[in-house]
Amino acid sequence: DIVMTQTPSSQAVSAGEKVTMSCKSSQSLLYSENKKNYLAWYQQKPGQSPKLLISWASTRESGVPDRFIGSGSGTDFTLTISSVQAEDLAVYYCEQYYDTWTFGGGTKLELK
Amino acid sequence: EVQLVESGGGLVQPGRSLKLSCLASGFTFSNYGMNWIRQAPGKGLEWVASISSSSSYIYYADTVKGRFTISRDNAKNTLYLQMTSLRSEDTALYYCARLRTVVADYWGQGVMVTVSS
Repeated sequence: DIVMTQTPSSQAVSAGEKVTMSCKSSQSLLYSENKKNYLAWYQQKPGQSPKLLISWASTRESGVPDRFIGSGSGTDFTLTISSVQAEDLAVYYCEQYYDTWTFGGGTKLELK
Repeated sequence: EVQLVESGGGLVQPGRSLKLSCLASGFTFSNYGMNWIRQAPGKGLEWVASISSSSSYIYYADTVKGRFTISRDNAKNTLYLQMTSLRSEDTALYYCARLRTVVADYWGQGVMVTVSS
């Protein structure tokens, strides 16, 4: 089974700050035949269901602000929020879909 | 508008059974694979089961294999999760999610299952 590890588990931020969070997989998520990384990022706000932000490691969903940037390949991935807004306070999960599905433990963004 | 509405949750004793439903609308249900994903109180997300659009491919997490059964009725636009031999560790909010190829792009609001005596 593929294990997904997210760091940090929580992070205190101020509005306007640049934030990066990491997601590492126990094996490569890069499929050689199509050169795609089978990784997604989700945002979950309190009391809400998760919302898909990014798929294929770096493709933003329609309507997702361009301050959310996904990057990385193979086993190491990053979600960057270029300038955090108050509405971005949430838990962020990465998920691999290379071999069934596995989620990371999440990174909680809190207000400093 | 894509909508997924789960139902069937509740309080159940250990060892008993429960069947969840997820009613889909706003898209052609028969064209999409579907997932069940759960979240224990205060914890992270755990994939539970997956079914392809025509039910040809079905997958389960090891934690539920042999106890849970995923199924669908495309004529009724409904996804199901039959849960048997329930344990306290199955207590969670259960979400259904639509698969756009293999990416869960829309999620329902979830239904709570509590396993306790």
